Amino acid sequence: GAGVSQSPRYKVAKRGQDVALRCDPISGHVSLFWYQQALGQGPEFLTYFQNEAQLDKSGLPSDRFFAERPEGSVSTLKIQRTQQEDSAVYLCASSSAGQRNTEAFFGQGTRLTVV
Amino acid sequence: GENVEQHPSTLSVQEGDSAVIKCTYSDSASNYFPWYKQELGKRPQLIIDIRSNVGEKKDQRIAVTLNKTAKHFSLHITETQPEDSAVYFCAIIPRVGGFKTIFGAGTRLFVKA
Repeated sequence: GAGVSQSPRYKVAKRGQDVALRCDPISGHVSLFWYQQALGQGPEFLTYFQNEAQLDKSGLPSDRFFAERPEGSVSTLKIQRTQQEDSAVYLCASSSAGQRNTEAFFGQGTRLTVV
Repeated sequence: GENVEQHPSTLSVQEGDSAVIKCTYSDSASNYFPWYKQELGKRPQLIIDIRSNVGEKKDQRIAVTLNKTAKHFSLHITETQPEDSAVYFCAIIPRVGGFKTIFGAGTRLFVKA
């Protein structure tokens, strides 16, 4: 596609509910990142995939957060038993190479509100 | 751990004036320093980046300077226009820590017409 696509754009979840957020990276992009952006803050790194391999998940805040990219393309971020502190915008980004100094292209994000 | 401090948090300038945003970082091994612009409700977009082998890079009205000794880098916007109003984030990718990108807290720039 033309850019990184995320769905849904908005999600309201009741506390305790499970949610799944989808990311479609730019076709052919090797690297895929997930970030969490709280209101008025910069994006915070969650996890990184190179193709289907999850190489870095050091930013996942708890074991309620799980990400996968089984075929090296689409990725899903799952949050189990959502809590109010999970409310944020979840951004996905992709880049063409598996290098550290390559431009990353961001999706529009999914705004998650836990009530 | 590694972090990035960004100043100021808010900046208001008159149209046509210059704006400067500064970031300091702790990981001396960082070698890639991107700047992102994020308009309200939109995605962050890369506007300029610099690598550690150069001290300055310019692209039309935007420039970035890097001082590796002092561990700071700055974004300079000249001849500001109302459409420059947005939140700007600096970022680093520490040498140690895999592929994690660490962002500053952001600077909200207002350009008054």
